[in-house]
Amino acid sequence: KQEVTQIPAALSVPEGENLVLNCSFTDSAIYNLQWFRQDPGKGLTSLLLIQSSQREQTSGRLNASLDKSSGRSTLYIAASQPGDSATYLCAVIMGQNFVFGPGTRLSVLP
Amino acid sequence: GAVVSQHPSWVICKSGTSVKIECRSLDFQATTMFWYRQFPKQSLMLMATSNEGSKATYEQGVEKDKFLINHASLTLSTLTVTSAHPEDSSFYICSASRSGVGEQYFGPGTRLTVT
Repeated sequence: KQEVTQIPAALSVPEGENLVLNCSFTDSAIYNLQWFRQDPGKGLTSLLLIQSSQREQTSGRLNASLDKSSGRSTLYIAASQPGDSATYLCAVIMGQNFVFGPGTRLSVLP
Repeated sequence: GAVVSQHPSWVICKSGTSVKIECRSLDFQATTMFWYRQFPKQSLMLMATSNEGSKATYEQGVEKDKFLINHASLTLSTLTVTSAHPEDSSFYICSASRSGVGEQYFGPGTRLTVT
């Protein structure tokens, strides 16, 4: 059974810092991996989708990498802003199933 | 493109009553729809998967007689929480997929509070 963990569970940083969020999974036979953002009481916003054949994806200040062999993905946020404050979820995609990690709650302080 | 809506966005109901939540794919046909439940400060847990015109497949531990799922068309799925109890209070999120594999587009969620 696929298990997904995320470290750290919570993170508080001052504005402007670069930061790294980690996602680990136990079964490397994944289809894709996707990072989402969730604001309090809201649904999911897709940030980056990494296909299993890819090693990284970039969008603006966000960069996500994938190492299937080690069962890890990282989300790098450059020059963090208060508007980046949210919970970040990674989801490992196994065929039609999405298995979510518990999330990292990020607070960026002005 | 690939927009999914949910209605209502929030609902309060009394214990013992039933409540229906709708999930619609607005600009695509969804062969498969998924229902998730999210408790406070926890991640999304898949409740059931439904294909249009077929019975839903429920995850272990989810009562199919309590959480009725209907996927009557390629753009609409409904989740009915029957005889709701306070422990059913949660955030319910649906998603829809065109191909059923490797992609899901998520709705904005419905906050259910049972008093």
